[in-house]
Amino acid sequence: EIVLTQSPATLSLSPGERATLSCRASQSVAIFLAWYQQKPGQAPRLLIYDASTRATGIPARFSGSGSGTDFTLTISSLEPEDFAIYYCQQRSDWPPGLTFGGGTRVEIK
Amino acid sequence: EVQLVESGGVVVQPGGSLRLSCAASGFSFDEYAMHWVRQAPGKSLEWVSLISHEGDSTHYADSVKGRFTISRDNSKNFLYLQMNSLTSEDTALYYCAKDVRHYTSSPGNFDYWGQGTLVTVSS
Repeated sequence: EIVLTQSPATLSLSPGERATLSCRASQSVAIFLAWYQQKPGQAPRLLIYDASTRATGIPARFSGSGSGTDFTLTISSLEPEDFAIYYCQQRSDWPPGLTFGGGTRVEIK
Repeated sequence: EVQLVESGGVVVQPGGSLRLSCAASGFSFDEYAMHWVRQAPGKSLEWVSLISHEGDSTHYADSVKGRFTISRDNSKNFLYLQMNSLTSEDTALYYCAKDVRHYTSSPGNFDYWGQGTLVTVSS
């Protein structure tokens, strides 16, 4: 099973600041990595898939990069609604052993 | 508008069984693979199972293999999860999720989610 390790566990930032979240895979997942946002009491929301493709309706301030084992989600300028938990997820294993990372909480400083 | 509405979550005793349902609308249900993903209280997400758009291919996480069965009824736009031999480790909010890719042979990302149905396994 491919293990995804997210860092940091918590990121304390102010609105308007840049957020950089990391996801590291235990083995290569090529570009098959996605990012999700989850707010309290809500279902997750797909932000990015295939490392850098923004999902429908996702603002341009969200961007993804990376390949192989190291990936980054960048939020260029934090809006108040961006404070949430972010999860990475890989779909490289086939037959699928789709796995998620442990999450990074982005909180207001 | 895509809608996924789960139902069937209850409190069940260890060793018991349960069937979850997910009603889908707002998209061509029979053109997309579908998934179940769960989240234990305060924990990260765990993919549980997927079924191909035609229902002829299914896959399971190791943690549920042999105990859970995913199925779908494309004539009614419903997704199901039959859960047997439940343990406390199955306690979670269960989400129904649509795959992002159309007619794909390699599904694996989730672009629409329901609000979840809570399964609690407790004596």
